[in-house]
Amino acid sequence: ETGVTQSPTHLIKTRGQQVTLRCSSQSGHNTVSWYQQALGQGPQFIFQYYREEENGRGNFPPRFSGLQFPNYSSELNVNALELDDSALYLCASSSDRFGYTFGSGTRLTVV
Amino acid sequence: AQKITQTQPGMFVQEKEAVTLDCTYDTSDPSYGLFWYKQPSSGEMIFLIYQGSYDQQNATEGRYSLNFQKARKSANLVISASQLGDSAMYFCAMREFTGNQFYFGTGTSLTVIP
Repeated sequence: ETGVTQSPTHLIKTRGQQVTLRCSSQSGHNTVSWYQQALGQGPQFIFQYYREEENGRGNFPPRFSGLQFPNYSSELNVNALELDDSALYLCASSSDRFGYTFGSGTRLTVV
Repeated sequence: AQKITQTQPGMFVQEKEAVTLDCTYDTSDPSYGLFWYKQPSSGEMIFLIYQGSYDQQNATEGRYSLNFQKARKSANLVISASQLGDSAMYFCAMREFTGNQFYFGTGTSLTVIP
């Protein structure tokens, strides 16, 4: 069985730009969630998708948005990038409440 | 209030020795799960061990065991026979049955000394 794949692995963007991060879920997993991990911190929940519908959101502004596709892959979009958006973005997929598999993340640097 | 508290920013342990990483949690949900993850410098969160709130026995997975003290709301990770490859960040996390997110602590950086 394949794991969770995230792309790109690293990304540098300029403040004010928009970015799209991608996540390919583990086979058979219909739930995907995204986390932001700032340097030296634990991951913070951004949102979760279940069967293409958002079913939970953390304390992040609307410029953080997402999509889940019929094949259960997912995108995280961030508009109007700010310097504080620089972080490791982790995607996790699951087929049940507790069995989550994390990807290796995308390191986003905003300059 | 913090859902997960890890009070040890950094820990050192001699190779082949055991080490305990502390974690306390806060929830009013009677049904929840407690997790430990290892994060090497590559960034991936590697699942180590899980403890359910109704589990009577402490969870064990190879060299990892979870010391679950429900009344104290603590879920400490014990790593036995430390290896150099154990050097990494370790995160304690909780997931409530009624919720849909992980709550993570701030992590403990473990360094195994030869």
